[in-house]
Amino acid sequence: SQKIEQNSEALNIQEGKTATLTCNYTNYSPAYLQWYRQDPGRGPVFLLLIRENEKEKRKERLKVTFDTTLKQSLFHITASQPADSATYLCALRGGSTLGRLYFGRGTQLTVWP
Amino acid sequence: NAGVTQTPKFRVLKTGQSMTLLCAQDMNHEYMYWYRQDPGMGLRLIHYSVGEGTTAKGEVPDGYNVSRLKKQNFLLGLESAAPSQTSVYFCASSRDRVETQYFGPGTRLLVL
Repeated sequence: SQKIEQNSEALNIQEGKTATLTCNYTNYSPAYLQWYRQDPGRGPVFLLLIRENEKEKRKERLKVTFDTTLKQSLFHITASQPADSATYLCALRGGSTLGRLYFGRGTQLTVWP
Repeated sequence: NAGVTQTPKFRVLKTGQSMTLLCAQDMNHEYMYWYRQDPGMGLRLIHYSVGEGTTAKGEVPDGYNVSRLKKQNFLLGLESAAPSQTSVYFCASSRDRVETQYFGPGTRLLVL
């Protein structure tokens, strides 16, 4: 069965540093991968999507990489701020699965001043 | 534009009781989904719909039923609630199978 692992349950970094979150997967060939942000008591909010034929995607301070050989995606937040503190979820969808996303358990990021 | 809304926000049920969770979206999306989120488990797909009048099972469909009589609404029913169904339920919608999913604020359900 498919398995998605996010590097750790919690990550604590100092403001201004770069946060790097990892998403690894096995038994899966995703057509694309998405990253979502979830704040306590709220639903996930989409951040970035990267397709299997793309190596890197950027949006403002966010950067996502996708390595289908390593079966891994890295999510970077540069110049992190306390407002970036949240849980970040990765989600994968295969090419043949109609709209179904498989989510990782998430990594809780805390950025301290 | 309200996006995706869910009612109720919170509910307490006794074992064996039934209830319906309502999800509504005003974005004219074809696809709608119901997930549950439990500590340490991540989001798991319960049922989904690829259009009005259609439904399909997800990863954890047992104990739940759904209906999509109108394009904008997706109902999740629990016929006989069990403590194992204590969870936070999220509804989501997307324009098609490739597009990103937009999530509602969630419904917290406690089954005693």
